[in-house]
Amino acid sequence: GAVVSQHPSWVICKSGTSVKIECRSLDFQATTMFWYRQFPKQSLMLMATSNEGSKATYEQGVEKDKFLINHASLTLSTLTVTSAHPEDSSFYICSAPGLAETQYFGPGTRLLVL
Amino acid sequence: GENVEQHPSTLSVQEGDSAVIKCTYSDSASNYFPWYKQELGKRPQLIIDIRSNVGEKKDQRIAVTLNKTAKHFSLHITETQPEDSAVYFCAASPSGGYQKVTFGTGTKLQVIP
Repeated sequence: GAVVSQHPSWVICKSGTSVKIECRSLDFQATTMFWYRQFPKQSLMLMATSNEGSKATYEQGVEKDKFLINHASLTLSTLTVTSAHPEDSSFYICSAPGLAETQYFGPGTRLLVL
Repeated sequence: GENVEQHPSTLSVQEGDSAVIKCTYSDSASNYFPWYKQELGKRPQLIIDIRSNVGEKKDQRIAVTLNKTAKHFSLHITETQPEDSAVYFCAASPSGGYQKVTFGTGTKLQVIP
């Protein structure tokens, strides 16, 4: 089946630094990818829709200048958390749509900002 | 936008009993309803899904029902086993994988041996 990978799987950074998370579709092309954030004991909240060759679409309340998304190719989308702060610590998960509405999720990236 | 409500938030059942999780959605344009199981620290895994042209779907011990008129859908797990313990999320989206998926708030299921 289709596989989506994420890198890194976990990252610890200092407050004020930027962190880049990669999401790759390994055996299929994805013109669209979705980025979610999940805080402990909460649901997955969609942050933005990443579109290959065009600007990302952000959900209401998500700062586009803080969470930079670049869909560089048909198999790669990146999320950069700029000037990260402790409140940005979360589990970030990407997904890519496959056949028949199926969403293929990446394994997630756990971010801890100190 | 779409709003998906889910309950209960926690559910404890004895091994072998059934578990039922219920969801409601608000957007009548939604016609695809997946259910996900998420273990701690892992990605969500699709366990079953249903589309609006179907009222019920079953896969071994898992079944899902949909009442599109009332905008309700439910997950039924029979003969629960300890390995069913996890957090379950319902979700809704318009048809087509390129449409965004809205998740419910989640149900933590504990199956007591």
